[in-house]
Amino acid sequence: DTEVTQTPKHLVMGMTNKKSLKCEQHMGHRAMYWYKQKAKKPPELMFVYSYEKLSINESVPSRFSPECPNSSLLNLHLHALQPEDSALYLCASSRRDPSYNEQFFGPGTRLTVL
Amino acid sequence: GQQVMQIPQYQHVQEGEDFTTYCNSSTTLSNIQWYKQRPGGHPVFLIQLVKSGEVKKQKRLTFQFGEAKKNSSLHITATQTTDVGTYFCAGQAGNQFYFGTGTSLTVIP
Repeated sequence: DTEVTQTPKHLVMGMTNKKSLKCEQHMGHRAMYWYKQKAKKPPELMFVYSYEKLSINESVPSRFSPECPNSSLLNLHLHALQPEDSALYLCASSRRDPSYNEQFFGPGTRLTVL
Repeated sequence: GQQVMQIPQYQHVQEGEDFTTYCNSSTTLSNIQWYKQRPGGHPVFLIQLVKSGEVKKQKRLTFQFGEAKKNSSLHITATQTTDVGTYFCAGQAGNQFYFGTGTSLTVIP
């Protein structure tokens, strides 16, 4: 299995809602990443997990809360988001960190905040 | 701010023409990767370069890492309509990892 899956594909939420994005991989990768990508812009790194521990948090607002329950799963909990948080949220994994090796990306969750 | 810049931002070519995108970093990179993102899709890994001056080829694609490890290029020979998409370089410096600004390629049949 060489796939990273993400659910849901689309999400619309209000500013007072709480929701979660999910990411899963079964390639045995020990590094997992969350990225945010706005239209016509490059992906921006948000969080890096290495061996299920948060190793890098790129100064992301606390309304985004990552969680890595085990080596195959990565969640992103969302609370009190702003309309400017609307974007494509991409999950990726790679064999190991910190060398950011070849990253396999999931299809992303397209988030709209109303 | 953004530390890895790419030029050009957009490129339209006739099918069969060559295409090159250039990637420049303000800091020395330990490695550089290239990704392709089709419209509506997600980034797909193409290649990683690690050594100064390294050149790698994948069929019609040629990748180069500069001697100072601050720049890189991707050259596509005889473009095809399947080459359409945005090409991103992505560089690592220490624990930092940045995607370049991207070059959007349109191929006109």
